Amino acid sequence: KAGVTQTPRYLIKTRGQQVTLSCSPISGHRSVSWYQQTPGQGLQFLFEYFSETQRNKGNFPGRFSGRQFSNSRSEMNVSTLELGDSALYLCASRSSSRGGEFGYGYTFGSGTRLTVV
Amino acid sequence: AQKITQTQPGMFVQEKEAVTLDCTYDTSDQSYGLFWYKQPSSGEMIFLIYQGSYDEQNATEGRYSLNFQKARKSANLVISASQLGDSAMYFCAMREGLSQAGTALIFGKGTTLSVSS
Repeated sequence: KAGVTQTPRYLIKTRGQQVTLSCSPISGHRSVSWYQQTPGQGLQFLFEYFSETQRNKGNFPGRFSGRQFSNSRSEMNVSTLELGDSALYLCASRSSSRGGEFGYGYTFGSGTRLTVV
Repeated sequence: AQKITQTQPGMFVQEKEAVTLDCTYDTSDQSYGLFWYKQPSSGEMIFLIYQGSYDEQNATEGRYSLNFQKARKSANLVISASQLGDSAMYFCAMREGLSQAGTALIFGKGTTLSVSS
């Protein structure tokens, strides 16, 4: 079956702009999580959605937001971009918010690499 | 305090040799899961192996095995018979509160593995 699809793969934005990233989970998966990866901070959890509801949120400013649609596709939005938002943004899906395949684990997409200039 | 500690920033190994990547964790939960992911330069996080806190036997998946020492809070990844394609960044991760919804993966800083011929 198709994996987790993230679009676009690469983005270059200017400071102050906003950006929307998209994630299509594995068919049948209802839980989608987002992670930010930077060289300095490593992998950090942004938020998790399940059945269109945000279940958990990481320690990020309000400029970072997300949503999930009825077909489980998810988007995350970053407003008023800062240079420090340059990162690889990874999306991961699971079949449920509790149990699931891979022993409660996640299947990740290839990420969107965002560069803010 | 860090929840996941990977003390080896880089490891070097020759083809066909075995290599152990270290991971220690910190949690007060009784129910948790430990994961190892591989991240090649393409950016995608590839699931390798999972160990549940109640699993009595060490997990194995092909050339990958997890040396789980619960009392020491250690979950080292062992790769047998290294291959050139194993060169990548390796992340240890933990998910606490497995019975709860929305709990996130917590990642270590990663270990870069380089396999030479």
